[in-house]
Amino acid sequence: AQTVTQSQPEMSVQEAETVTLSCTYDTSESNYYLFWYKQPPSRQMILVIRQEAYKQQNATENRFSVNFQKAAKSFSLKISDSQLGDTAMYFCAFETSGSRLTFGEGTQLTVNP
Amino acid sequence: EPEVTQTPSHQVTQMGQEVILRCVPISNHLYFYWYRQILGQKVEFLVSFYNNEISEKSEIFDDQFSVERPDGSNFTLKIRSTKLEDSAMYFCASSAGGVEKLFFGSGTQLSVL
Repeated sequence: AQTVTQSQPEMSVQEAETVTLSCTYDTSESNYYLFWYKQPPSRQMILVIRQEAYKQQNATENRFSVNFQKAAKSFSLKISDSQLGDTAMYFCAFETSGSRLTFGEGTQLTVNP
Repeated sequence: EPEVTQTPSHQVTQMGQEVILRCVPISNHLYFYWYRQILGQKVEFLVSFYNNEISEKSEIFDDQFSVERPDGSNFTLKIRSTKLEDSAMYFCASSAGGVEKLFFGSGTQLSVL
């Protein structure tokens, strides 16, 4: 069975600093998608960034970038120039069977002023 | 930007009662999903729906649950006889083609008393 593990339940960072959230996954598939979702206190699920496994280049969206290590099955999220609005729960997710997302347990990120 | 709309935002019901959670997916989307999140836990897949039938369901989605697309715009989740453990945030999501670009609604918080 596919699993997604986020080993950091909580993290904090100072405003304007950089923080990296970790995610590992387990699968026997060779082609898949990986995602990071942000869930602010409103509890809405907001897509931050996605990565296609067949692409070697790491995805980037403005201040958000990933470090995708396919052999290590690792997919970390780097947030640069952290802002107070980045405070949220962050979920790593993996696409299985083309129909469902499997989520990790989440990392609560707090950005301190 | 188009969005997935869910109503109501909060539903309170008595144990054993039937509830229907409603969703209006993005108009040109063909794939529809329900996920749920028990407070403090990760988001879990319930069911996916395509071409007027269920394409995949999880072990959570037992006989108490059903989904329907009663007209061209709504997508509903019915829980036939609610239990206390059904209390959760229920998210509807839709996409034009698979989970690669999934849009989530803002959720319905279901409280079973």
